Amino acid sequence: KAGVTQTPRYLIKTRGQQVTLSCSPISGHRSVSWYQQTPGQGLQFLFEYFSETQRNKGNFPGRFSGRQFSNSRSEMNVSTLELGDSALYLCASSPSSDPSGEQYFGPGTRLTVT
Amino acid sequence: QKEVEQNSGPLSVPEGAIASLNCTYSDRGSQSFFWYRQYSGKSPELIMFIYSNGDKEDGRFTAQLNKASQYVSLLIRDSQPSDSATYLCAVRYNAGNMLTFGGGTRLMVKP
Repeated sequence: KAGVTQTPRYLIKTRGQQVTLSCSPISGHRSVSWYQQTPGQGLQFLFEYFSETQRNKGNFPGRFSGRQFSNSRSEMNVSTLELGDSALYLCASSPSSDPSGEQYFGPGTRLTVT
Repeated sequence: QKEVEQNSGPLSVPEGAIASLNCTYSDRGSQSFFWYRQYSGKSPELIMFIYSNGDKEDGRFTAQLNKASQYVSLLIRDSQPSDSATYLCAVRYNAGNMLTFGGGTRLMVKP
């Protein structure tokens, strides 16, 4: 099976712009979660989508949003970019919400805000 | 606030030795526990998960969970230089797939 794919892999944006990142989960996986990783804050949960519905949301401002499509592909959007949004954005997919709930990460999108 | 704590390291072990990585968590309602390995510049790679008290072995890796003491550990036997990476402990608290991560422990295996 192909792994989780994320596009684009690298992105440079200017403060105030908006950005959309895309994630395609492992085939058959219905849950997609997004995380932000920075040197200072580590890995932090943004949100999770399951069957096109947001099921969990982390402690991030409303500028961060996401959605999931019927084929389980997901996008996240960040509006009005700030310098502090520079980070590695990781998408993880999971087959379901069973007790193990293992998640597999994609390669990430490295976002740089200048 | 639910917290996951790890010693940042670096933890240095000689090749062939056992590396022991520890993680504590704050919420007794935690359901399942994960260990990820992350090489510099790469994304986290799932090594093991555990959700019952006791030990779980997979090859050179053993995860240990003690819910009463609220800690989970990862043992790496016969450590190799290729095991040098940052090891992330993650805890799942609810029915969804939200994971709370520790800051990671950097492991260095010296030849």
